[in-house]
Amino acid sequence: AQTVTQSQPEMSVQEAETVTLSCTYDTSENNYYLFWYKQPPSRQMILVIRQEAYKQQNATENRFSVNFQKAAKSFSLKISDSQLGDTAMYFCATALYSGAGSYQLTFGKGTKLSVIP
Amino acid sequence: NAGVTQTPKFRVLKTGQSMTLLCAQDMNHEYMYWYRQDPGMGLRLIHYSVGEGTTAKGEVPDGYNVSRLKKQNFLLGLESAAPSQTSVYFCASRTSYNEQFFGPGTRLTVL
Repeated sequence: AQTVTQSQPEMSVQEAETVTLSCTYDTSENNYYLFWYKQPPSRQMILVIRQEAYKQQNATENRFSVNFQKAAKSFSLKISDSQLGDTAMYFCATALYSGAGSYQLTFGKGTKLSVIP
Repeated sequence: NAGVTQTPKFRVLKTGQSMTLLCAQDMNHEYMYWYRQDPGMGLRLIHYSVGEGTTAKGEVPDGYNVSRLKKQNFLLGLESAAPSQTSVYFCASRTSYNEQFFGPGTRLTVL
């Protein structure tokens, strides 16, 4: 079974500062995808950023960027210029091929991020 | 374009009762998924579908059944609800880029 580990259950950051959330995973596959999802108090799951494992270049999406270290099986999320609206649970997930064209997501347990004014 | 919608948003059942959760998507996606989320856990896959008329088991399928009679709808059924099925249920559909878009969730309590 795939495992995704988020070692920081809770984190906090001052508004406008930068914070990095950690994620490690375990797979023997070579072709897979990695994601960060955000879940604010509204409960909605929102896709933050996506990375294909075959791409060496780290994905960026406005204030969000990743540090993808394939050999170390590490996929951290950096949030720059933190805003109050970034307060949420953040989930790291891997998508592995499961046959019939389908990829299954495996989620970590999440990191609760609080942005402090 | 509503994206992924779920009905109902909240439900309370008694042990042994049955119910069906409805998921609908208007993005013409082939792949759809049902997850459950429990406190302190990430989402866990219950069942998924790779297209109309096809379904498959995920990580935690016991106690649930699904059907995909129409491409845009994916139904999750509980035949005899148990307190262990108290959870928040999420439906998702997937783009060709492997991005999953989620519905708003259904909070189910089984007494």
